[in-house]
Formats: sequence, C-alpha cells, structure tokens
Amino acid sequence: ETGVTQSPTHLIKTRGQQVTLRCSSQSGHNTVSWYQQALGQGPQFIFQYYREEENGRGNFPPRFSGLQFPNYSSELNVNALELDDSALYLCASSSGVSGDTEAFFGQGTRLTVV
Amino acid sequence: KQEVTQIPAALSVPEGENLVLNCSFTDSAIYNLQWFRQDPGKGLTSLLLIQSSQREQTSGRLNASLDKSSGRSTLYIAASQPGDSATYLCAVRWDSNYQLIWGAGTKLIIKP
Repeated sequence: ETGVTQSPTHLIKTRGQQVTLRCSSQSGHNTVSWYQQALGQGPQFIFQYYREEENGRGNFPPRFSGLQFPNYSSELNVNALELDDSALYLCASSSGVSGDTEAFFGQGTRLTVV
Repeated sequence: KQEVTQIPAALSVPEGENLVLNCSFTDSAIYNLQWFRQDPGKGLTSLLLIQSSQREQTSGRLNASLDKSSGRSTLYIAASQPGDSATYLCAVRWDSNYQLIWGAGTKLIIKP
C-alpha cells in the first residue's frame, strides 16, 4: 500500500458539469503527476506539478487544469465534462523532478459522465 | 514517435509455470522503465524500476530485464500463483521529458 491517496474513489457527473479530484502525495514527495486511463488502455499523461508549478503537460485541452499546494497535495479540475471524460483518473507522486525516481500511484478515482 | 507496446494482450497459464511478459519500445534513449501491476478497477502497484544503466532488477519471484539496444524489456514471473492474476503494464520515461509512456498492458490469468 502506497502513501498516495485519492478522493473520491467514485464519482458520477452530468455532461457539462465541472469536477475536482484530489490527491495527497506520499510523504517526502514533491512531484505529482495525473493520468487518465480509459477502459482497457494504458494511462495517458495529463500533466505534472513540481513544487507548485506545472512542469509538463500531455495532449489534453485547457479544460483540464490543476493545482499543487504547499504541502504537495494536488487537485485535478475538469470543466465542461464530456462523455469521453469517463475514465479512471490516477495520481502519482515521486521525489524530485529529474524523473529517475520511482512513481507511486494512488488507487484512482473512477469518473463516470452521463 | 515514442511508443510502448505489450504483446500479448492476454495470457492464461496453469499455476506453477514460469512465464515471461514482453514490453517493446521505440527510441532506445530511455531514462528508465517501470513495471506495474493493476488489479481490476484498482490503481497501479509499482513492481520494479530499471534505470537506463541497469540490465535487470529482481524482487522476490519477479525479475525484469532491459535491453535498450533492441528496445525490449521482459518481466519474468517464477512459479506463478493464482494471486498473480492481474494486468501488467510497462511504462517508459524518455530523456526528453518526464512523463511515463505506457503500454496497453498484458492481462494475466493464472489457472489453479
């Protein structure tokens, strides 16, 4: 069991609504990454935060935004939800920004958009 | 384009067998490669991390190897058990960025 926790575990939203997902990183980790995993596929990188600054972004539209707080916890916000946003959203934490450390994942938030 | 491929998509073997899962990647200039396990509807559990300078890593019954020149990594599972049933994903981090690029996974079923 990693120290990365995500909330909520499940969520149902209506198309057009906004959602906020939360992630508490493992103690000592200052880098948080968010991934979207559609059913039967590998995760897709959304963005990464290091010490409260976004330092990498995948191919996702601007309605996907995030924050990292001074305690290194993080939020993922999605505006104007679409049906295709239904997926498992995963948060990963690691120490440092160089990428040479192991990434640890939370249990994910299952988002269903109806 | 940097891509990760895992073949086969699914594998079913009897309990007790040794097995190998495959991961191939384009562009040999990787930073590191990580193997994960995912149980149905759950998050990802890190199994092994191999840095680009390493050839293999071992943890218990698991052994992961890395051959950058051929763009391949394998995950060897010894003496498989029904509890090993899960989807195994390979993820690669390349030098030019820090994000993990993922394969689609191999769904492993160990039959009692």
